[in-house]
Amino acid sequence: NAGVTQTPKFQVLKTGQSMTLQCAQDMNHNSMYWYRQDPGMGLRLIYYSASEGTTDKGEVPNGYNVSRLNKREFSLRLESAAPSQTSVYFCASRMGLGAFEQYFGPGTRLTVT
Amino acid sequence: GQQVMQIPQYQHVQEGEDFTTYCNSSTTLSNIQWYKQRPGGHPVFLIQLVKSGEVKKQKRLTFQFGEAKKNSSLHITATQTTDVGTYFCAGGSGAGNNRKLIWGLGTSLAVNP
Repeated sequence: NAGVTQTPKFQVLKTGQSMTLQCAQDMNHNSMYWYRQDPGMGLRLIYYSASEGTTDKGEVPNGYNVSRLNKREFSLRLESAAPSQTSVYFCASRMGLGAFEQYFGPGTRLTVT
Repeated sequence: GQQVMQIPQYQHVQEGEDFTTYCNSSTTLSNIQWYKQRPGGHPVFLIQLVKSGEVKKQKRLTFQFGEAKKNSSLHITATQTTDVGTYFCAGGSGAGNNRKLIWGLGTSLAVNP
């Protein structure tokens, strides 16, 4: 099992460009999450999908959109990148129901110039 | 809103010294989880505590959940260089598939050999 995979690992964008970060899990988990991590800010939830077919905003959703393509895949889209979106992005998944623990992907390091 | 405060923000120890990080929640939690993130890596689940007053051990690591389920601690005995990283607590909230984690900002541990 690969667990949670993310692509790309690194990306540099110019202000105003768009891109989609991909995430997939092979653990048959129900819930998936997108976080961003900035120095001194910990992990901040952008969007989450409690189950296939549903998505909800987290604490910092502005400037982002998500798609839960199927049970395995949860993508994060930046429509018009801004320097404030320079960050490390982590995707995570959780089995659901009684399980709280989350499993993280390796992250995408995004720089917006 | 719900918050989880984690202290200290940084800790620098000599190898062999003990280390403790503390988490305090503004509200009662259903459970608390601890994660470790190595430099350049992604958060990795360590343990979950559910019961009031619960204590769990993993080799040199001791985890405690307070009687009121509003605070928790992680204690490492005789630190080693392999303990270097950032330790996050995350409090569980919500129910069913909408369960989310409220993350502390983490404690970064540096160990001098």
